[in-house]
Amino acid sequence: AQSVTQPDIHITVSEGASLELRCNYSYGATPYLFWYVQSPGQGLQLLLKYFSGDTLVQGIKGFEAEFKRSQSSFNLRKPSVHWSDAAEYFCAVGLYGGATNKLIFGTGTLLAVQP
Amino acid sequence: DAMVIQNPRYQVTQFGKPVTLSCSQTLNHNVMYWYQQKSSQAPKLLFHYYDKDFNNEADTPDNFQSRRPNTSFCFLDIRSPGLGDAAMYLCATSRDGGNNEQFFGPGTRLTVL
Repeated sequence: AQSVTQPDIHITVSEGASLELRCNYSYGATPYLFWYVQSPGQGLQLLLKYFSGDTLVQGIKGFEAEFKRSQSSFNLRKPSVHWSDAAEYFCAVGLYGGATNKLIFGTGTLLAVQP
Repeated sequence: DAMVIQNPRYQVTQFGKPVTLSCSQTLNHNVMYWYQQKSSQAPKLLFHYYDKDFNNEADTPDNFQSRRPNTSFCFLDIRSPGLGDAAMYLCATSRDGGNNEQFFGPGTRLTVL
């Protein structure tokens, strides 16, 4: 069955430090992969997505992610974290075909940023 | 700005009392989704509409129903809310289906007393 694993439930980084959030997926075909961010009490905002082509994708707010098929991973990175990046981050795989049209989310990683 | 709007943002209901959550969109997208997100968990798709075609997830309880009277509006009806239905309910839209981005509303937090 399709699934998404985010092994880190909670991460704390210092402001200005680099960040990497891990995501592993299980999917039989080439996946459609997404990273969303959710601030407290808010909906989800798309950071970036991968469908095909260049395996390094750039997103909003200075985030990037790299698709590695051999590792079934799609890790999110940012070279220098800002205090406003504190939020919950969800990795998702898209399932499409026929009447199926859904995102399967990981359980999320809560990011805290220290001054 | 084009957006997805959910009303109310916070809803309190009593055990067993029917409740309706509302979602509207100005994006003119033809697909609308309802997700349930329990505390500290991932959002989980309940169902979606592709235009007027309703697609229910296999594990969505019968207690949850949906209506889409027109392109702009979609409602989530919980016929007899239980304590386990307390959650954030997220509405999303996308242009067509497939791999198009889903745009999320801010959510409605439901409390069941």
